[in-house]
Amino acid sequence: EDKVVQSPLSLVVHEGDTVTLNCSYEVTNFRSLLWYKQEKKAPTFLFMLTSSGIEKKSGRLSSILDKKELFSILNITATQTGDSAVYLCAVPIIQGAQKLVFGQGTRLTINP
Amino acid sequence: DSGVTQTPKHLITATGQRVTLRCSPRSGDLSVYWYQQSLDQGLQFLIQYYNGEERAKGNILERFSAQQFPDLHSELNLSSLELGDSALYFCASSEEAGVKYNEQFFGPGTRLTVL
Repeated sequence: EDKVVQSPLSLVVHEGDTVTLNCSYEVTNFRSLLWYKQEKKAPTFLFMLTSSGIEKKSGRLSSILDKKELFSILNITATQTGDSAVYLCAVPIIQGAQKLVFGQGTRLTINP
Repeated sequence: DSGVTQTPKHLITATGQRVTLRCSPRSGDLSVYWYQQSLDQGLQFLIQYYNGEERAKGNILERFSAQQFPDLHSELNLSSLELGDSALYFCASSEEAGVKYNEQFFGPGTRLTVL
């Protein structure tokens, strides 16, 4: 069974701290891994990772994939209160159809 | 705004009832996906339709059914509702499906509360 596991499930830090969120996966026919940010409603897309070792960066957020060890990390530097959200990791399963298998999410709270 | 619309935004109903959730995909998208997000299960894939045909099924209960109409909007029907069906239901859409990854755009969700 395809599985995506995130850790930690919850994280509380102070503004300005750097955080690292983890995502491990066990899926057949892996092609890519996605990161989303979910605030109050719909998940919003952050990154898509397909190749090992290549860092994707967007402002203070960055992510990297390790296809040998089957995990990805999402880093957020100089955190701000606006970074408070649930961060979701997902793997697309594509076999004539398409579905996303999500991890449980990491609830990140940034305190001022 | 992703371009995917869902109605209603909130729905409160009683156990045993039946409800219908509606989704309109982004213009040009042929594929529609339904996901359920509950506190204990996280975001789970329910079902996918492509151009009116069912393409993939996830952990969808037999009490739930869906369809995609010729104008490409989709409806998710939930019947014999139980307390545990209370959740956020998301619809997503993408251009195609199944050969290579197509980015899915999520709607704002419908929050269902079963009392």
